[in-house]
Amino acid sequence: GAGVSQTPSNKVTEKGKYVELRCDPISGHTALYWYRQSLGQGPEFLIYFQGTGAADDSGLPNDRFFAVRPEGSVSTLKIQRTERGDSAVYLCASSLGGGQGAIDTQYFGPGTRLTVL
Amino acid sequence: AQKITQTQPGMFVQEKEAVTLDCTYDTSDPSYGLFWYKQPSSGEMIFLIYQGSYDQQNATEGRYSLNFQKARKSANLVISASQLGDSAMYFCAMREGVRDYKLSFGAGTTVTVRA
Repeated sequence: GAGVSQTPSNKVTEKGKYVELRCDPISGHTALYWYRQSLGQGPEFLIYFQGTGAADDSGLPNDRFFAVRPEGSVSTLKIQRTERGDSAVYLCASSLGGGQGAIDTQYFGPGTRLTVL
Repeated sequence: AQKITQTQPGMFVQEKEAVTLDCTYDTSDPSYGLFWYKQPSSGEMIFLIYQGSYDQQNATEGRYSLNFQKARKSANLVISASQLGDSAMYFCAMREGVRDYKLSFGAGTTVTVRA
């Protein structure tokens, strides 16, 4: 079946602009995650949705970052007043959303490379 | 403090040989899961193998095996019979507890397989 998809694959914007990054999870996956990966580093957690609600947004760096998942499927990561330091690859992952102790493997999309000039 | 430490930034391995990638972790939670992902130059993270903290045996998936030493808090990945297509960045990650689903990743190890 189809994997996690992300659009756009690349986004170039100017400092101060607003951007939206979209993630379409694997069908049937109730859990969705956003991570940010800077060059040469491992991904860093941003936010996790279980269904429509943000179960954990402790990784969002500041209030310029916001994410939604209104119907429990597609999610949009929104960044206001972008800064050059926001340049990174934004990865989305989804999982079945298993119960306690379940492996609940996260499957990743190809990422959106954001460049803020 | 770093939750996941990968001390090898880059490694070279000859085709058909085995390679071991080191990973140590830090957690006080008795329940946790350890994951290894492969990230080729295309950028997509590919799940390889999982080890649960209560699993009695080391995990294996095809040419991938996990050398889990709980007392030493290490979860090294072994890739046997390396292939050219194994050239990629490899990340170790941990999920702590039974309610916290986010993954904490290490800095990664770049593996280059030589013909």
